[in-house]
Amino acid sequence: KQEVTQIPAALSVPEGENLVLNCSFTDSAIYNLQWFRQDPGKGLTSLLLIQSSQREQTSGRLNASLDKSSGRSTLYIAASQPGDSATYLCAVVNTNAGKSTFGDGTTLTVKP
Amino acid sequence: EAGVTQSPTHLIKTRGQQATLRCSPISGHTSVYWYQQALGLGLQFLLWYDEGEERNRGNFPPRFSGRQFPNYSSELNVNALELEDSALYLCASSEGTIREKLFFGSGTQLSVL
Repeated sequence: KQEVTQIPAALSVPEGENLVLNCSFTDSAIYNLQWFRQDPGKGLTSLLLIQSSQREQTSGRLNASLDKSSGRSTLYIAASQPGDSATYLCAVVNTNAGKSTFGDGTTLTVKP
Repeated sequence: EAGVTQSPTHLIKTRGQQATLRCSPISGHTSVYWYQQALGLGLQFLLWYDEGEERNRGNFPPRFSGRQFPNYSSELNVNALELEDSALYLCASSEGTIREKLFFGSGTQLSVL
């Protein structure tokens, strides 16, 4: 059974700081890994999708990496802004499960 | 292009009643997924529909059911509501295979009193 863990559970940083969010998973037989952002009481917004054959994806100030063999992914946020405050979730799709398994998320607060 | 739309936004029911939640996927998407997000818990997979068929089901009792219509929209039904069914129900769609990016709606907040 796939288990996805995100560390830390919460993170508070001053504006302008670069930061890294971590995601680990137990079963490396994945199709892809996706990072999402969720604002309180809202749905999820897709940030980056990394296919199993890829090592990283970039979008603006965001960079996500994937090391399938070690079961790890990181989301790097450069020059953080107060508008980046949200919960960030990672999700993996297993080759034999037909569903996405989500971590519990990291709640990020960026202070002005 | 319209995103994934869910209705209603909020739904209040009493214990024992039935709830029906609706989801319209992005145009061209054939797969619809339902997730439950209870307060303090992570997203739990409920159901996956593709091309009108149920493809996978999470660890939920049979009173959680659904269907997908020919236009790929979907409906989630929850019978015999219990207090612990109170949660945000999220629908997502993708282009048809589980390899594709998931796009989520804003959710339906179900409150069971």
